[in-house]
Amino acid sequence: NAGVTQTPKFQVLKTGQSMTLQCAQDMNHEYMSWYRQDPGMGLRLIHYSVGAGITDQGEVPNGYNVSRSTTEDFPLRLLSAAPSQTSVYFCASRPWRYYGYTFGSGTRLTVV
Amino acid sequence: KNQVEQSPQSLIILEGKNCTLQCNYTVSPFSNLRWYKQDTGRGPVSLTIMTFSENTKSNGRYTATLDADTKQSSLHITASQLSDSASYICVVSTSGGTSYGKLTFGQGTILTVHP
Repeated sequence: NAGVTQTPKFQVLKTGQSMTLQCAQDMNHEYMSWYRQDPGMGLRLIHYSVGAGITDQGEVPNGYNVSRSTTEDFPLRLLSAAPSQTSVYFCASRPWRYYGYTFGSGTRLTVV
Repeated sequence: KNQVEQSPQSLIILEGKNCTLQCNYTVSPFSNLRWYKQDTGRGPVSLTIMTFSENTKSNGRYTATLDADTKQSSLHITASQLSDSASYICVVSTSGGTSYGKLTFGQGTILTVHP
């Protein structure tokens, strides 16, 4: 039981490049979400999903896409990286009847 | 606008001492409040979760309190250890259960425990 697994742990991109941050959970959780964490700010929701095939935008969705083809996986795609997307990204999941979230260990992304 | 404010921003204490972290929120409607511990370079880990009807909840040396009337919560750490050095994040949810539940995160309190 690995929990929530995020890959890669670190990534450096050039402005304009695209990439996908991977998130997988093995707990059969219905809810999955992506957050970004910037210095001095609380985590902000980018996108979330309440089940396979269902996604919705969070607080800061611009520049990011998601899909949820399976219960286990919830990848986050950066379409054209910008320096403003330099951040630490966290994936989190929870079962539908429980309040507590399980977070991944994060991906530190730097866009130069 | 839903907001969660934490104080202090940072705190330094000596090992073995107690400390209390504060969280004030304006999130409405309130569903539940959670405290998370985030070690450097790691994801947040849940310490406590409290709903509207709960005033106090403990998890080992961590005790969280909630006053839903004044919209305040505190996290008390007893007999601090070096491993308590981390960021502590207060998170308030507007709804839960079968709905997704929008979370509002505080900016965190950075606690440093010195030997």
